[in-house]
Amino acid sequence: DIVMTQSPLSLPVTPGEPASISCRSSQSLLHRDGHNYLDWYLQKPGQSPQLLIYLGSTRASGVPDRFSGSGSGTDFTLKITRVEAEDVGVYYCMQPLQTPNTFGQGTKLEIK
Amino acid sequence: EVQLVQSGVEVKKPGESLKISCKGSGYRFNSNWIAWVRQMPGKGLEWMAMIYPYDSDTRYSPSFQGQVTTSADKSITTAYLQWSSLKASDTAMYYCARRTCYDCAFDIWGQGTMVTVSS
Repeated sequence: DIVMTQSPLSLPVTPGEPASISCRSSQSLLHRDGHNYLDWYLQKPGQSPQLLIYLGSTRASGVPDRFSGSGSGTDFTLKITRVEAEDVGVYYCMQPLQTPNTFGQGTKLEIK
Repeated sequence: EVQLVQSGVEVKKPGESLKISCKGSGYRFNSNWIAWVRQMPGKGLEWMAMIYPYDSDTRYSPSFQGQVTTSADKSITTAYLQWSSLKASDTAMYYCARRTCYDCAFDIWGQGTMVTVSS
């Protein structure tokens, strides 16, 4: 199985400040088609997960442009330019490249 | 509106069987994969299995192979996850999620079904 490792696991952020989450995979997620098969999800408190970013850097429909994804191969980053109160929750990276698909442990973002 | 609606809360005893459902609407159900994701209390997300309703092609995580079965009824655009003999360790929230291709992201999620197994 591909192991996904996120850091940090806890992320206290002041509103208006930037935030960054790292995700590393045990195998390359770069497909021969040129895409990186890495997705980011946010699970807000008491809600189902929602898709933020797919193929490493493409924002899902309706996702604010303060969210961005970058990286290639085995190292990926989710960045929030200016954190807002509604961004609290747990962020997960996931690889859809191989079954079983695997998630990172999750990063809990909280407001200071 | 594209949505997945899951069946309601379940409270069961160890050894009992269970089948939970996930009904898709607003899109071509047959031609999109449906996956199942487990979230144990206070824990992270785990991919369990997925099914392609058109031909019932299935994939299972080795961690869940033989423990659960996924199926689908195209005629009523519904996918299922079932257990033949529940354990206390099956207590969790179970989500279904849609993906539009085999290795696409999960763009639509159900609201989740909470399963509690306790004697």
